Amino acid sequence: AQSVTQPDIHITVSEGASLELRCNYSYGATPYLFWYVQSPGQGLQLLLKYFSGDTLVQGIKGFEAEFKRSQSSFNLRKPSVHWSDAAEYFCAVGASAYNTDKLIFGTGTRLQVFP
Amino acid sequence: GAVVSQHPSWVICKSGTSVKIECRSLDFQATTMFWYRQFPKQSLMLMATSNEGSKATYEQGVEKDKFLINHASLTLSTLTVTSAHPEDSSFYICSARPGSGELFFGEGSRLTVL
Repeated sequence: AQSVTQPDIHITVSEGASLELRCNYSYGATPYLFWYVQSPGQGLQLLLKYFSGDTLVQGIKGFEAEFKRSQSSFNLRKPSVHWSDAAEYFCAVGASAYNTDKLIFGTGTRLQVFP
Repeated sequence: GAVVSQHPSWVICKSGTSVKIECRSLDFQATTMFWYRQFPKQSLMLMATSNEGSKATYEQGVEKDKFLINHASLTLSTLTVTSAHPEDSSFYICSARPGSGELFFGEGSRLTVL
């Protein structure tokens, strides 16, 4: 069955430190992969997405993610975390680029940033 | 970017009553909207696809008579939880997309059934 796993429920980092949030997926076809961020009281916002081509994708707010087919992973990274990055992060896989009617989400990783 | 808004953001109701949650696309028209449910420490699960002017399409295991969805206009979809029970307590999120573009999500509505 299709699934997305985010192994880390909660991560705490210091401001300025680097960040990597893990995401592993199980999907039979070519995956379309997404990372969303949800700040308190706000809707999910798309950070970046991977459809094809370069396996290292750049997103908004200085985030990037690397698709590794051999590891079925799509980890999110940021070189230097800012306090405003504290939020919930969701990895998701979809069946197609835009008509992602059935996005499959991971359980999310809550990021806490210490000053 | 486009804005999707939900109301109310938080609602408490007594067991057996019905609760309506609204999802509005504020600056675009959406022929399709999606409703998700998120239990604590679990992922978002798609409940149903709301189609303007026609019946919603429900995912397997979702009771259509319990979770009534109405998409009467191109900017509004409503989810009514009928005869709510404590096990229906959850975080309900909607999403919509302008045309075939990116999905935009609402801020979510937290339902607590006493």
